[in-house]
Amino acid sequence: AQSVTQLDSQVPVFEEAPVELRCNYSSSVSVYLFWYVQYPNQGLQLLLKYLSGSTLVESINGFEAEFNKSQTSFHLRKPSVHISDTAEYFCAVTIAGGTSYGKLTFGQGTILTVHP
Amino acid sequence: DAGITQSPRHKVTETGTPVTLRCHQTENHRYMYWYRQDPGHGLRLIHYSYGVKDTDKGEVSDGYSVSRSKTEDFLLTLESATSSQTSVYFCAIKEGSSGTYEQYFGPGTRLTVT
Repeated sequence: AQSVTQLDSQVPVFEEAPVELRCNYSSSVSVYLFWYVQYPNQGLQLLLKYLSGSTLVESINGFEAEFNKSQTSFHLRKPSVHISDTAEYFCAVTIAGGTSYGKLTFGQGTILTVHP
Repeated sequence: DAGITQSPRHKVTETGTPVTLRCHQTENHRYMYWYRQDPGHGLRLIHYSYGVKDTDKGEVSDGYSVSRSKTEDFLLTLESATSSQTSVYFCAIKEGSSGTYEQYFGPGTRLTVT
């Protein structure tokens, strides 16, 4: 079975500061990794994903995440945050290769609050 | 939007009553999922479907049942609601084509069991 640990339940930062949201996973088989974002009172939106290839993946709004197989991590970073980035962020994994019906295992979530 | 609707969006019900939540998609995707979201737990999978009439249990399936009689609809039923089932429920869908792994989520249903 897979598990995901998000190491920080809440991360407060000031606008234009850099931020890192940490995610570690555990799995005995290869996995694919995702970050989802949830704005208040909304559903989850896919932010970025790692399936294969370059270990550094980017989103269209300036976030990036790096897959580190040796440390079993997939930390999310942004060099300069905006007020509008305030949301809850979820890290998730699924078994690679399509043998799990695409079931996702989620971390506990990290609430990012950006202060002016 | 991924063409997913959930109904109702909000519901308050009493302990012991049956409740059915509906997920409807217009994308004709093969896979559908029901998750519950609780503070400190993230999202946990309740049941999922990999085709019409093909369903299976997830991590937290006790007290829940599902049905999928047509591609576009996936129903979640709480046979006898309990206070521990107060939660926000999300439906998600995924394409069936090879190499597609991302799920798309509905807006959620907030259920309160009193």
